[in-house]
Amino acid sequence: AQTVTQSQPEMSVQEAETVTLSCTYDTSENNYYLFWYKQPPSRQMILVIRQEAYKQQNATENRFSVNFQKAAKSFSLKISDSQLGDTAMYFCAFMSLSGANSKLTFGKGITLSVRP
Amino acid sequence: EAGVTQFPSHSVIEKGQTVTLRCDPISGHDNLYWYRRVMGKEIKFLLHFVKESKQDESGMPNNRFLAERTGGTYSTLKVQPAELEDSGVYFCASSQSDEAFFGQGTRLTVV
Repeated sequence: AQTVTQSQPEMSVQEAETVTLSCTYDTSENNYYLFWYKQPPSRQMILVIRQEAYKQQNATENRFSVNFQKAAKSFSLKISDSQLGDTAMYFCAFMSLSGANSKLTFGKGITLSVRP
Repeated sequence: EAGVTQFPSHSVIEKGQTVTLRCDPISGHDNLYWYRRVMGKEIKFLLHFVKESKQDESGMPNNRFLAERTGGTYSTLKVQPAELEDSGVYFCASSQSDEAFFGQGTRLTVV
C-alpha cells in the first residue's frame, strides 16, 4: 500500500515571496504519477501540477514547480512570486499506474496563507 | 463546459437517518470516484466506477454505504443509517484519463 505524508499542517508566506511545501511518499512501485492539488476556501479542488515518475525532469507550470527526488521519495512544491490567490489548502497525491485502478492516495494537506 | 457538481453542498442529519449524496460527473467521463475527508485526516478513497460498473470498492467503510451509478452517468452515495463517525466532506471526482476533476464536495454532519 502507498502512503503520502505531508508533515507541515500549515505555512504562511509574504506576497511575492517563494514558499516550498513538502511531501514524501512510500511505495514499492516504479511507475506512478504524483500530483499537487489546490483547494481554495469553499471552492473545488483543482490540479496544480503533475509529475510522471519515469521523467527525470522536474515539472513546471508557470509559478509552480516541483522538486522530484525519486530515490528519496520526495515531491516538494515550490510556489514562486506568491499571490493572494494562492491561499488555499494544498494536497499531495499519488496514483499508481499498475493495474486498472487509478485512485489517488492523498496526504493530509497543508494550509497555505499568503499575507499581503 | 460544466464541471463536476455535487448535491447537496451541506447536509445535517440525525444519527440513524438516511442521506443520499449525488454527483454529476463531467459529461463523457467514464471514471467516477468517491472520496471522503474526515476532519483533520487524509482524503480517503471510497470507490471507483468505470461507467456503471464498480471497478474498486475497497475503500467503502461498511455496508451502511451504498453507491450506484445507473446508466453510467450520475452517481449517488447513500448512507443508511448514518452514524456520528460518518461526518466529513464527501468528494466526487471524474476523469477520462489520468487527470481527475473534483466537485466542491458535500459536507455531511451527523448529530
